[in-house]
Amino acid sequence: AQSVSQHNHHVILSEAASLELGCNYSYGGTVNLFWYVQYPGQHLQLLLKYFSGDPLVKGIKGFEAEFIKSKFSFNLRKPSVQWSDTAEYFCAVNARGAAGNKLTFGGGTRVLVKP
Amino acid sequence: EPEVTQTPSHQVTQMGQEVILRCVPISNHLYFYWYRQILGQKVEFLVSFYNNEISEKSEIFDDQFSVERPDGSNFTLKIRSTKLEDSAMYFCASNGQLGETQYFGPGTRLLVL
Repeated sequence: AQSVSQHNHHVILSEAASLELGCNYSYGGTVNLFWYVQYPGQHLQLLLKYFSGDPLVKGIKGFEAEFIKSKFSFNLRKPSVQWSDTAEYFCAVNARGAAGNKLTFGGGTRVLVKP
Repeated sequence: EPEVTQTPSHQVTQMGQEVILRCVPISNHLYFYWYRQILGQKVEFLVSFYNNEISEKSEIFDDQFSVERPDGSNFTLKIRSTKLEDSAMYFCASNGQLGETQYFGPGTRLLVL
């Protein structure tokens, strides 16, 4: 069974600061990797995903993530955050080729960007 | 842009009552999912559904839970006899093919008293 851990539960930073959120997964096979974001009062939205190819993936709103297979990690980064990046961020994986295709989520990281 | 919709947004019910949570997946999607998030905890997979059958279910999805696609557009989750611990946010999701991005609805917040 797969599992996902996110290192930080809460992050507080100022506008223009850089952001990095850690995500590690555990699974014996090949996975697809996702970062979802949930803005206050809104539903889960996809930020970016990795299926194969270039391990550095770029998503919406200036976010990027790097898949490091040897470390089972998929950390999310943004060089300069804005107040509007205040949200909860979820890392998720699914096992490639699995019949049910379920997503396994990390515990989420609440990010507060101070203006 | 097409969206997954869910109704109701909030539901309050008494313990032991039946509830039905409704979802309208994106119209050309074939795979449907329910997840839930108990306050302060992780988003957890409940069940996946394809071709009018359950593809996979978690340990949480016991006999009190059922899913149905009663027509060409709705996808429902029924909890037969609610318990206090069923209080959570329930999310519906859908995708067009296995492995593709799952698109989530806004959720239904269920409170069991």
